[in-house]
Amino acid sequence: AQSVAQPEDQVNVAEGNPLTVKCTYSVSGNPYLFWYVQYPNRGLQFLLKYITGDNLVKGSYGFEAEFNKSQTSFHLKKPSALVSDSALYFCAVRPESMDSNYQLIWGAGTKLIIKP
Amino acid sequence: EAQVTQNPRYLITVTGKKLTVTCSQNMNHEYMSWYRQDPGLGLRQIYYSMNVEVTDKGDVPEGYKVSRKEKRNFPLILESPSPNQTSLYFCASSLSPGTRIEAFFGQGTRLTVV
Repeated sequence: AQSVAQPEDQVNVAEGNPLTVKCTYSVSGNPYLFWYVQYPNRGLQFLLKYITGDNLVKGSYGFEAEFNKSQTSFHLKKPSALVSDSALYFCAVRPESMDSNYQLIWGAGTKLIIKP
Repeated sequence: EAQVTQNPRYLITVTGKKLTVTCSQNMNHEYMSWYRQDPGLGLRQIYYSMNVEVTDKGDVPEGYKVSRKEKRNFPLILESPSPNQTSLYFCASSLSPGTRIEAFFGQGTRLTVV
């Protein structure tokens, strides 16, 4: 079965330190990969996506993500964390070979806590 | 401002009392969908719509109905809500049902069924 895994329920990082939120996937074909963020009492906001090309993609709020095809991973990174980055982060994958409903496969989410 | 608007934001209801959660987008998007979010399960798609009058089931459609009579609106209907439908619901839209296109989400509706 096709799936997306976010192995950490919660990640704690001190403000100013680099952060990584992990995402691995198991899908057929060449997937399209997305990261979304959910701030408290807010909807999900698109952060960045990988479609093709350079494996390092840059997105909103200083975030970036690295696509690694051999490891089937798409980890979210930021060089210097801010307290305001504290939120729930979701990785989502849309398999290239999925049938025509264009459905996204979602990870369970990772709660990121940035401590001052 | 481009947005997806859901109403209500919060709703407490009793088992069996029909309810509708509205969703409207002002971006002329073709593709709309409904998700529920439950702890540890991520987002699960309930229904989606490729365009007006075209709807289809997602992963967890049981107990829900939708309609797409206008491009901008995609209401979610619970004919007879049950406690297991207590959840956080999100409506989403995207420009087209293309694989490369990211989705825009509403702010969510927190539903409690007692």
